Amino acid sequence: DTAVSQTPKYLVTQMGNDKSIKCEQNLGHDTMYWYKQDSKKFLKIMFSYNNKELIINETVPNRFSPKSPDKAHLNLHINSLELGDSAVYFCASSPGQDQETQYFGPGTRLLVL
Amino acid sequence: GQNIDQPTEMTATEGAIVQINCTYQTSGFNGLFWYQQHAGEAPTFLSYNVLDGLEEKGRFSSFLSRSKGYSYLLLKELQMKDSASYLCAVRDSNYQLIWGAGTKLIIKP
Repeated sequence: DTAVSQTPKYLVTQMGNDKSIKCEQNLGHDTMYWYKQDSKKFLKIMFSYNNKELIINETVPNRFSPKSPDKAHLNLHINSLELGDSAVYFCASSPGQDQETQYFGPGTRLLVL
Repeated sequence: GQNIDQPTEMTATEGAIVQINCTYQTSGFNGLFWYQQHAGEAPTFLSYNVLDGLEEKGRFSSFLSRSKGYSYLLLKELQMKDSASYLCAVRDSNYQLIWGAGTKLIIKP
C-alpha cells in the first residue's frame, strides 16, 4: 500500500553510463515531480508533469529526460552520467499542479564513480 | 532572485520548546509549507500557512507574517524522534515551490 514508490533505492554506477529511475504513485494524483537533493540538502525541482504533460522543466542538462507513460508513473532517464550527478533523487506527487501538499517517494541514492 | 533563509543547525533539550525561523523573498506568495525530513528519508508534510497567524497541530505550530516575509515552526515537548531537518518552502506567484536548505535540529537528552 505504498503511496509513492521509487526504484532502485540505491544506484552505484560508472561515469559515462546511462541509467533510469522509476517512480509510481497510487494516490490518484494528477501531478508528479522529480527533485534532486545534493550534499548540502537543497531540494531542487527538476521536472513536473501534470496528467502526463510536462509543466515544469527547470534548467537541467538535457542528459536528463523524464517520461510519463501515464499519470501514475514518472520515470527519469539519465545519459552519460557525470560525477556531479551524484545525489539523492526524490519523486513526489500532489493532487493538482498548484503544488498543494506533496507526497515524496523514499528517494534514489545515486553514486557516480 | 528568490531566497529562503533558515538557520543551518539548532540544538535543543528533550522536553523543551524550540522555534525554527524562516525568512523568504519570493516573487509573489501563495502559501508556505513546513516539511520534516529524517536522515536518509523523504520529506514529509508538517504544516501549511497562507494567511497571517498561528496554525496549531498537536505539539507543532506554524506562524506566518506575510508583511515581514517571515514564518516560524514551534515544536513543544520535544522528543528524541523530533531530531530531523525541517524544511521551509514557499509557493511563489507561479505556484512553484521554492525550498530552503533546511534546519538540522539536534535533540539532546
